[in-house]
Amino acid sequence: DGGITQSPKYLFRKEGQNVTLSCEQNLNHDAMYWYRQDPGQGLRLIYYSQIVNDFQKGDIAEGYSVSREKKESFPLTVTSAQKNPTAFYLCASSKTGAGTEAFFGQGTRLTVV
Amino acid sequence: GIQVEQSPPDLILQEGANSTLRCNFSDSVNNLQWFHQNPWGQLINLFYIPSGTKQNGRLSATTVATERYSLLYISSSQTTDSGVYFCAGTVNTGGFKTIFGAGTRLFVKA
Repeated sequence: DGGITQSPKYLFRKEGQNVTLSCEQNLNHDAMYWYRQDPGQGLRLIYYSQIVNDFQKGDIAEGYSVSREKKESFPLTVTSAQKNPTAFYLCASSKTGAGTEAFFGQGTRLTVV
Repeated sequence: GIQVEQSPPDLILQEGANSTLRCNFSDSVNNLQWFHQNPWGQLINLFYIPSGTKQNGRLSATTVATERYSLLYISSSQTTDSGVYFCAGTVNTGGFKTIFGAGTRLFVKA
């Protein structure tokens, strides 16, 4: 089936450790996105990529890093510099960046203890 | 930056009731989508509606792009409609990014 796969669903890490969240899509979409959602809140954009080997900071990029080496993959690293990393992380993709419908993965719930 | 306002923030309905959710944008957006977030966190696409009106079963949506708002109508609500409804629009800020409103939390009582 075509879609967006995020893994793992749940992730626990100790404070001070970097952690990488996986996002893979087989929809042949050019654009991919990472969002963060805190309890009871909306989605905030972390990073987005409109094409392979290119990405741009969103509204809350500090403490995060990404890469886009392949069209189908857009991993997100939550670094130790992120002060409040515990959150629900959602990955999305769209055919192009400009005005096309976005589709989401099932999310990764990260808990840092 | 562009602001996305959704209203009401919370809504409680009796099963069978109708409701209207609203989304206002402070500036023009390239497209507009409505999503439903289920209890497990999954975002379900409801409508991709840059302008005009669309219907899908008990749900329909209308976007008036020139006036920067969109409406989501839920008719004959069911308990399974409960969850959070988000609207989102794409803006061009040197790169296209999709931004979200804070959502409307809907609870439908049996």
